[in-house]
Amino acid sequence: GENVEQHPSTLSVQEGDSAVIKCTYSDSASNYFPWYKQELGKRPQLIIDIRSNVGEKKDQRIAVTLNKTAKHFSLHITETQPEDSAVYFCAAINTGTASKLTFGTGTRLQVTL
Amino acid sequence: NAGVTQTPKFHILKTGQSMTLQCAQDMNHGYMSWYRQDPGMGLRLIYYSAAAGTTDKEVPNGYNVSRLNTEDFPLRLVSAAPSQTSVYLCASSYYYADRDCNQPQHFGDGTRLSIL
Repeated sequence: GENVEQHPSTLSVQEGDSAVIKCTYSDSASNYFPWYKQELGKRPQLIIDIRSNVGEKKDQRIAVTLNKTAKHFSLHITETQPEDSAVYFCAAINTGTASKLTFGTGTRLQVTL
Repeated sequence: NAGVTQTPKFHILKTGQSMTLQCAQDMNHGYMSWYRQDPGMGLRLIYYSAAAGTTDKEVPNGYNVSRLNTEDFPLRLVSAAPSQTSVYLCASSYYYADRDCNQPQHFGDGTRLSIL
C-alpha cells in the first residue's frame, strides 16, 4: 500500500518568512495530492491540491510542487502570517481505484512575530 | 448543507464498555472513512466505505462499522481499551473513480474519546 512520509514534524518561522513542508510517497500510481490545514481544535480543511499531470499549482501565498520521478511533493507558504500557524497534513491517493487516502504524520507550523 | 456531522463531541468510557460514534453527511458522498488522530501520529485510517453496503477494514481489531445507507457511517468500539483513547474524525467524499476531477475529503469536527 501507499506510504507517505512528511518532514519536518515541527517548523518555526518568523512572520514574513517562507515555509516549506516536504512529503514523499511510495506508490507511483498515486495521482492526487491534497494538503490539509488543521487549526487547533478544528477539523482539517483542504487548502490546496495537485494532480499528477501538473508540476506546480499556486493559490495566492500557497503553492504546491510535484516531482513524479522522485515521488515527492512540497507545500510552499510565502510571506507567512500568524494565522498560518497550524498543523499541515499532506496526503496521496490513486483516484483510479477504490483505494484510501494516505496521510503524512503532519507538520506543526509556528509563525512567530 | 450541514456537511459532515459527528456526535458526540466528547465522551468518557470505562475499559470494557462499548460505544457507537455517529457520523452523518448530507452531500450524497459515496466514500466515507474513519480516522483516529493522536499526537505525532497524523491521521490513521481505521475503516472506510466506498458505497452503501460495502466496508473495508484498515486496522485489525477493536472496531466495527456499518454502512446501511449513503448518509450514515457509525463506528462501534466493541470493548473499549485505554489504547483507543483518541480523537476520531469522520470524513466523506465522492467516490474518486466516478469522477475525473479533484474531490477532497470533507471532515467532521471529531469526537474526543477518553477511555479510563
